[in-house]
Amino acid sequence: EAGVVQSPRYKIIEKKQPVAFWCNPISGHNTLYWYRQNLGQGPELLIRYENEEAVDDSQLPKDRFSAERLKGVDSTLKIQPAELGDSAVYLCASSLGPSNTEAFFGQGTRLTVV
Amino acid sequence: AQRVTQPEKLLSVFKGAPVELKCNYSYSGSPELFWYVQYSRQRLQLLLRHISRESIKGFTADLNKGETSFHLKKPFAQEEDSAMYYCALKGAGSYQLTFGKGTKLSVIP
Repeated sequence: EAGVVQSPRYKIIEKKQPVAFWCNPISGHNTLYWYRQNLGQGPELLIRYENEEAVDDSQLPKDRFSAERLKGVDSTLKIQPAELGDSAVYLCASSLGPSNTEAFFGQGTRLTVV
Repeated sequence: AQRVTQPEKLLSVFKGAPVELKCNYSYSGSPELFWYVQYSRQRLQLLLRHISRESIKGFTADLNKGETSFHLKKPFAQEEDSAMYYCALKGAGSYQLTFGKGTKLSVIP
């Protein structure tokens, strides 16, 4: 079992450019989370999916961030356009269901905006 | 609002010494508390949760509702315990994990 797979691992882009992150959760996990972790901080939730439905996106900056989870499996998080302050590690996690307390995390994508 | 505070950014101890990583929380109801660990170049993973009342890798944590704390303890630190440790809270009826800023534990040989 590979666990939660994220790609790319690292991404460097210039400000105002678009960027996308991809996540493949553990097979059978219905709940998928995207977190952002700024340097020196703990992860902060951006969005949570139950199957293909975004059930909690209250902390997603919707002016430039978007996410989708087609067919309730893989998910993509996009930023357009990126700003310097978006530099962070973007973590994807999945769990069997919303009430299941253990979330399994991917390795993360480290984004640097220059 | 729910909040998790880890007052120490860095904690250095000698091998064999006791370890206590502090975690305090703010939440009005009955929370679920967790400790996550991230070893060097590895992904974030669950270490233990208070409802299980278990000991993992020699670590224990007791939820103290009076002091709103969930400190992580180990009687004898090992070099392989060196890692980032994050305390996290999930409020009753909530599916959102709120993390602290983390404490970097460094065990000196």
